[in-house]
Amino acid sequence: QKEVEQNSGPLSVPEGAIASLNCTYSDRGSQSFFWYRQYSGKSPELIMSIYSNGDKEDGRFTAQLNKASQYVSLLIRDSQPSDSATYLCAVNPPGNNRLAFGKGNQVVVIP
Amino acid sequence: DAGVTQSPTHLIKTRGQQVTLRCSPKSGHDTVSWYQQALGQGPQFIFQYYEEEERQRGNFPDRFSGHQFPNYSSELNVNALLLGDSALYLCASSLVVAGYQETQYFGPGTRLLVL
Repeated sequence: QKEVEQNSGPLSVPEGAIASLNCTYSDRGSQSFFWYRQYSGKSPELIMSIYSNGDKEDGRFTAQLNKASQYVSLLIRDSQPSDSATYLCAVNPPGNNRLAFGKGNQVVVIP
Repeated sequence: DAGVTQSPTHLIKTRGQQVTLRCSPKSGHDTVSWYQQALGQGPQFIFQYYEEEERQRGNFPDRFSGHQFPNYSSELNVNALLLGDSALYLCASSLVVAGYQETQYFGPGTRLLVL
């Protein structure tokens, strides 16, 4: 079982729509969760961090965490062409200083 | 406020050679982590340096080694390069507060191509 899984294929959404990304993790004791955005050829850029169950909103982005079900999601509202990128889910496993990353989900926003 | 910087941006080497990559952390940060990202994959943790010592290591062979200097900057060395070492190498810096590591921020990366 992979530490962090992002199973969805490329996601195409029309401009102005909501993009929804999901991520599951294997270690129930994990406490810190992150979403990074990575444009093609660039390095990951932090979008959101979340540590407690529930929702956390920052502008057009909302992260949702459900520790009982071991999943974390990211919603992008009013999607813009500039949101077209790969979104990486990262988890800080307990007792670890490293981040474990999922494979990433590509989002394409169609004007 | 300077962010994380890495050098060089691109590098081409041949099999068997050795390479050194460099990273300067974000101002105020004291911890440097290195990751390898192959095409189409998420970053994989190589190791982390804190207080000039290797604090944790991922599942990478001994050909991968590193160092952290008193000014918190860091180097990643890879010996006996293999074709499979071709990847984007990312440095991330963070701050340890009361034993707890805060959020990691990534530098622009070094793209290594091994021929």
